[in-house]
Amino acid sequence: SSELTQDPAVSVALGQTVRITCQGDSLRSYYASWYQQKTGQAPVLVIYGKNNRPSGIPDRFSGSSSGNTASLTITGAQAEDEADYYCNSRDSSGNHYVFGTGTKVTVL
Amino acid sequence: EVQLVESGGGLVKSGGSLRLSCAASGFTFNSYSMNWVRQAPGKGLEWVSFISSSSNYIYYADSVKGRFTISRDNAKKSLYLQMNSLRAEDTAVYYCARENHDSSGYAFDIWGQGTMVTVSS
Repeated sequence: SSELTQDPAVSVALGQTVRITCQGDSLRSYYASWYQQKTGQAPVLVIYGKNNRPSGIPDRFSGSSSGNTASLTITGAQAEDEADYYCNSRDSSGNHYVFGTGTKVTVL
Repeated sequence: EVQLVESGGGLVKSGGSLRLSCAASGFTFNSYSMNWVRQAPGKGLEWVSFISSSSNYIYYADSVKGRFTISRDNAKKSLYLQMNSLRAEDTAVYYCARENHDSSGYAFDIWGQGTMVTVSS
């Protein structure tokens, strides 16, 4: 099975931009989706596909991909964006799914 | 309102069994594949199992294969996870999640609130 690696933690000043990365071999074949999870809550989908936001997700969230790396960018981070973020993709077999190790985002 | 509600969690001894349920509402359940995802206390998300809309395709994570069984009843708009031979490392919050496919890709777009499973040794 494949692995998806994320930086454990990043911090960003209020109103500034932060990029969260996700690395894994399967990302050469499949797009990543991204999930935001606040403490004690269920995950929420924020980005999927090439760069698609579900209804209700602010446009400050965007996604991109290159080679074996997918990225989630928050442009103009807000206090409410403080959360854990997980990437997800199919693994190399295409039949299983794998989540990234997660990144804790702190807004200063 | 589109909603998933899990139930069936609880405290069980190592080696025991538990059956989780997930009730869907607000959408055409039989048109969507479904998944179970779990999260151990203080840890990250772990995909557990997938079932296609008509139950034709079923997949499991290696960590649960042979012990867990996913199923669904489209008439009852419900998803299930039968968990046998439970181990301490299965202790986690279990979420059901809808899988949505479109031309842009796939994603787990709707999640339940989760149900806690605690396995005591």
